[in-house]
Amino acid sequence: SYELTQPLSVSVALGQTARITCGGPKIGSKNVHWYQQKPGQAPVLVIYRDSDRPSGIPERFSGSNSGNTATLTISRVQVGDEADYYCQVWDSRLWLFGGGTNLTVL
Amino acid sequence: EEQLVQSGAEVRKSGESLKIACKGSGYTFSSYWIAWVRQMPGKGLEWMGLVYPGDSEIRYSPSFQDQVTISVDKSISTAFLQWSSLKASDTAMYYCARLAGYDATGYFPFDFWGQGTPVTASS
Repeated sequence: SYELTQPLSVSVALGQTARITCGGPKIGSKNVHWYQQKPGQAPVLVIYRDSDRPSGIPERFSGSNSGNTATLTISRVQVGDEADYYCQVWDSRLWLFGGGTNLTVL
Repeated sequence: EEQLVQSGAEVRKSGESLKIACKGSGYTFSSYWIAWVRQMPGKGLEWMGLVYPGDSEIRYSPSFQDQVTISVDKSISTAFLQWSSLKASDTAMYYCARLAGYDATGYFPFDFWGQGTPVTASS
């Protein structure tokens, strides 16, 4: 079965760029969606179809997807960006989530 | 405003039945799939299944098939998730989420989510 691999945690200094990866075989051929989940809150969609941004999501959030890795990039990171981030794909009639990455802002 | 509002927190004993709800408003409920997602304490997101209110088509994750029942009543714009016999391992937060389009093959994301229903099943 298809599996998505995310790093457990990523740390980044305030104002720098955070990159969160999501690995899977030929993931570049799939649509990847990204969700942000802050403690005690429901997930929020931040990137869909690899690199599109929903209305209301800052331009600091961007995405890319190629080969075996999709990447969520957060520029000029703020304290408010601290959260868990999940990638998601559809494969063989199943919706799959990555294990999640905890972003810490130093 | 488009939103999904879920029913409140539930505490049950193992072996009891339970049905939780997810009510949509602010959009044409029957035209969008509703997904259910489990999040166990301190863990990640797990997709459980989808229901299309327009024709009540249901798709289950194999991991949850025969463990839960998903249903919908479009006349009241509400989707349901139910258990016939809860286990302690069902203790989790349960979210419903709307699929952003008619195509349930990955093109559309889950564009907004309910606030979650915490379920506690004590042994």
